[in-house]
Amino acid sequence: GAGVSQTPSNKVTEKGKYVELRCDPISGHTALYWYRQSLGQGPEFLIYFQGTGAADDSGLPNDRFFAVRPEGSVSTLKIQRTERGDSAVYLCASSLGPNQGYTFGSGTRLTVV
Amino acid sequence: RKEVEQDPGPFNVPEGATVAFNCTYSNSASQSFFWYRQDCRKEPKLLMSVYSSGNEDGRFTAQLNRASQYISLLIRDSKLSDSATYLCVVNIGSQGNLIFGKGTKLSVKP
Repeated sequence: GAGVSQTPSNKVTEKGKYVELRCDPISGHTALYWYRQSLGQGPEFLIYFQGTGAADDSGLPNDRFFAVRPEGSVSTLKIQRTERGDSAVYLCASSLGPNQGYTFGSGTRLTVV
Repeated sequence: RKEVEQDPGPFNVPEGATVAFNCTYSNSASQSFFWYRQDCRKEPKLLMSVYSSGNEDGRFTAQLNRASQYISLLIRDSKLSDSATYLCVVNIGSQGNLIFGKGTKLSVKP
């Protein structure tokens, strides 16, 4: 597609539930990034994929968070046993490669109640 | 110390004013530098890259001082449409993940 697409745009879930957030990057972009942004803060790095592999997952806060990109295109961020503190906007971005500017999707606003 | 620190803001300026944002970064291995703009409840969008020699794009001028680990953004003749949050961003090493500052909010008033 023309831009980075994220679905759903909004997700409300109960504490303890499992959620999946999807990102469809710009066609041909090999690098894909997940960030999350809380109110009043800048985006916080979670994980970076180069192709199918996670090149850097040092930003994932704990083992409840996991992400995959099985075919090197679409990526899914998975959060188990959600907590209220997971509420944030989850942003996906893609780029042609390292040291290039990113293009962000419009994000998924996750609310854990 | 945070990896990227910005002026706390908010900056409230009249139309036509010149406004400057400053940013410092802590990791001397940082290789690439950017300014992003983020409108309320929207995703960040790349405003401009920042080069060592300084660069200009219309009313916007970005400067980098590697020795002081300092980045700046100057907006001349500010417009109402410039109202947004401006994020200072650095890339460390070759992995590509960008580190964002908290952002500085700009509000341009008529």
